[in-house]
Amino acid sequence: DAKTTQPNSMESNEEEPVHLPCNHSTISGTDYIHWYRQLPSQGPEYVIHGLTSNVNNRMASLAIAEDRKSSTLILHRATLRDAAVYYCILSSPTGANSKLTFGKGITLSVRP
Amino acid sequence: SQTIHQWPATLVQPVGSPLSLECTVEGTSNPNLYWYRQAAGRGLQLLFYSVGIGQISSEVPQNLSASRPQDRQFILSSKKLLLSDSGFYLCAWSVREGQGANEQFFGPGTRLTVL
Repeated sequence: DAKTTQPNSMESNEEEPVHLPCNHSTISGTDYIHWYRQLPSQGPEYVIHGLTSNVNNRMASLAIAEDRKSSTLILHRATLRDAAVYYCILSSPTGANSKLTFGKGITLSVRP
Repeated sequence: SQTIHQWPATLVQPVGSPLSLECTVEGTSNPNLYWYRQAAGRGLQLLFYSVGIGQISSEVPQNLSASRPQDRQFILSSKKLLLSDSGFYLCAWSVREGQGANEQFFGPGTRLTVL
């Protein structure tokens, strides 16, 4: 499976934008870029995913580099509830299966 | 709407005892089902996935097994627990049909402590 690299941690101030980087230099043409987040003692929660174009949804935006070797998850206004571990994951669906391989993720802390 | 249930929420078991964790999904048909484990301070590890009744794929060799007796039921079992089986066990589902990347929906998890 293609791998991703993320910083171990990042701090942000409440109500400020947050940019979470992810490098995936060995990404293949069929790999989708997923972001999930996990709050303490909970299961992961889907945030966003994309293939080539930038994506926006109610939770976040995903900016994908033109060569697709890196991407950035953007939280437009961080809140205290956004403090979590954020996972950047590549997944290449084959048929009906879409397996996710979680790394260590990046721990986001939000200061009031 | 779809919901996913796991039980029990917490479990403390002695080494060598059997294990059965259950996961059920409501509000969807023919889902892909997954079992993950998260050891303390580590990322999630995919243990098993299933694309249909009786169809189980194992991702890593281990002391655990999985079964899917019904379309929306996924069971994780062990005959004899090891200390290293302690962790946070998560069940997830995704839609089966369609191409591209399917979002996975996770259950609330079971925290297992083996003593």
